[in-house]
Amino acid sequence: DTAVSQTPKYLVTQMGNDKSIKCEQNLGHDTMYWYKQDSKKFLKIMFSYNNKELIINETVPNRFSPKSPDKAHLNLHINSLELGDSAVYFCASSQDIVRGFNEKLFFGSGTQLSVL
Amino acid sequence: DQQVKQNSPSLSVQEGRISILNCDYTNSMFDYFLWYKKYPAEGPTFLISISSIKDKNEDGRFTVFLNKSAKHLSLHIVPSQPGDSAVYFCAASEEITNAGKSTFGDGTTLTVKP
Repeated sequence: DTAVSQTPKYLVTQMGNDKSIKCEQNLGHDTMYWYKQDSKKFLKIMFSYNNKELIINETVPNRFSPKSPDKAHLNLHINSLELGDSAVYFCASSQDIVRGFNEKLFFGSGTQLSVL
Repeated sequence: DQQVKQNSPSLSVQEGRISILNCDYTNSMFDYFLWYKKYPAEGPTFLISISSIKDKNEDGRFTVFLNKSAKHLSLHIVPSQPGDSAVYFCAASEEITNAGKSTFGDGTTLTVKP
């Protein structure tokens, strides 16, 4: 049973479209995150929610909007997609708020987003 | 600015031998370092970590060495097993300061041949 699951695994779409990526964790963790892995494979944090409350919001275009309906879910909505949004997006969770990386982070398998 | 760099994109070793994966960083504010392992179609999973107050941390077959003056760390796997074949990411974090000041390297694909 997957601990952190995100859907879809692959997403191919046209520029200008609006899309969503969903993430769910069944670990009972209080904190969830979205990371972006760019073409150079660097993984950078985008957002973090703790008990449905936004706690980390890095410099990300406001076309990206996270939504947390409950602490087990953190979805990522992207409006007016651009070519530069093409990347792999990873969801993660942890029990406590993690500032930076540590062993308490559990990652999903990633969503490969391709914007054409 | 590539703050964490893994210069070898791939490494191939024979089963039973030692695998050495290297990682260099430039940000002197990094004070916590981790290695993650990633299989295809799966998310990265935590392998081993080291704080900047140490120069070595060992966990079974895995040992991480940290050389702060050289801003270099390495992961040793002894003995290497075919199941170790995966992509290994070095990660660095400014644990004390602002969240988000963390980054992965670009990964090294390890292949362990039977």
